[in-house]
Parts: sequence; C-alpha cells; structure tokens
Amino acid sequence: EIVMTQSPAALSVSPGERATLSCRASQSVNTNLAWYQQKPGQAPRLLIYGASTRATGIPARFSGDGSGTEFTLTISSLQSEDFALYYCQQYSGWPPWTFGQGTKVEIK
Amino acid sequence: EVQLVQSGAEVKKPGESLRISCKGSGYSFTSYWISWVRQMPGKGLEWMGRIDPRDSYTNYSPSFQGHVTISADKSLSTAYLQWSSLKASDTAMYYCARVDTAMFIDYWGQGTLVTVSS
Repeated sequence: EIVMTQSPAALSVSPGERATLSCRASQSVNTNLAWYQQKPGQAPRLLIYGASTRATGIPARFSGDGSGTEFTLTISSLQSEDFALYYCQQYSGWPPWTFGQGTKVEIK
Repeated sequence: EVQLVQSGAEVKKPGESLRISCKGSGYSFTSYWISWVRQMPGKGLEWMGRIDPRDSYTNYSPSFQGHVTISADKSLSTAYLQWSSLKASDTAMYYCARVDTAMFIDYWGQGTLVTVSS
C-alpha cells in the first residue's frame, strides 16, 4: 500500500498571502495525484487531478505541481473561503488508493 | 447535473446489521465506478473500496476487507455499503463518490453519519 504524507499538518496564513502545501508518496505514483478541499460539515470537493489539472469551476489561484513522489498544492492569494482542510490522494495503478492525513489551512 | 444522494443518518447498537445507500443520477450509472470513503470523527479520509456497477466487481482496502461489503443494483442506479455486525469503532461519516474514468474521484455524496452505541 502506498503511504501518502502531507506537510505541514496545519498552516497559518493571512488573507491575500500564498499557501504551499506538500504531499509525498512512499513510491512513485507518476502524476496520478488529486487534491481535495473539505470545509466543516461538508463533503470533500475535487480541486486538482493529474497532479496539475484544475477541476471544473476551480479558480486559477489553485495550482498543483509535481510527479513521482513529490507534489505541491499552491493557493496564490488566499481568500476567506479557502480556509479549510486539504487532502491529497494517489490513484496509481490498481486499488487500494490512499489519502494523505490532511493539511488544515487556518487564518493567521 | 451529476448527483450522488445518500441515505440518512443511522443510529445502531453494537452487533446490529446495517446497509446504507448511494443513488446516482445525472449520468450513466454503469459507466463509472463508485468508491466508499470513511471519515471517523475529527479524522481524515480513508478509502474503503470500490465497485464497478456494470458487473459488481469490487476491490477493498486491506483495512476494510472482510469487515464491510460493497454492492450495487444497476437497475436502481444505487450502490450500497453494508455491515453484518457493527462495532462502536464503525461510528463515522461515510461518503460515496464517483470515480472518473481516469481513476480519480470527481463527485461526492453528501455523506451518511453512522453512530454505533449501546
């Protein structure tokens, strides 16, 4: 089973600033990596797939990068609605597919 | 519009059985796999398994193999997650999710809260 490790566990950022979240895989997942956003009391929402492709309707301030074992999600200018939990997930090869433990983006 | 609508919250006792459901609409139900994801209180997301509604072929995470059963009824466009004997540790929010043909999850249900308590 591929283990996904996200860092940091929590990130305090001021509105308008940039946030960079990291996700590391225990073995290569190529670009089979997705990012999800989850707000309190809500289901997760797809942000990024294929490591760098924004899902439909996702603002351009969200960007993904990486391949192999190292990935980043960058939010270029944090808006109030972006303070949430973010999860990465690998979907490489045959299941099981696995999630990282999440990064909480908090208001500074 | 793609929608996954899950059944309502459940409160059960340890040892009881349970089946929760997830109805897909707005797309061809048999063209996409359905995954189930667990979220225990205050914790992260855990991928449990998936089903191909065309033939009901399933894969499970080793952590959930033998503890739950995933099934589907394509005539009803509905997937199911069931337990034969619940434990207190099964208390969690359970999400169903559609798996895109490229294998990532693109749509999520609203979640079903399962509470197991004596």
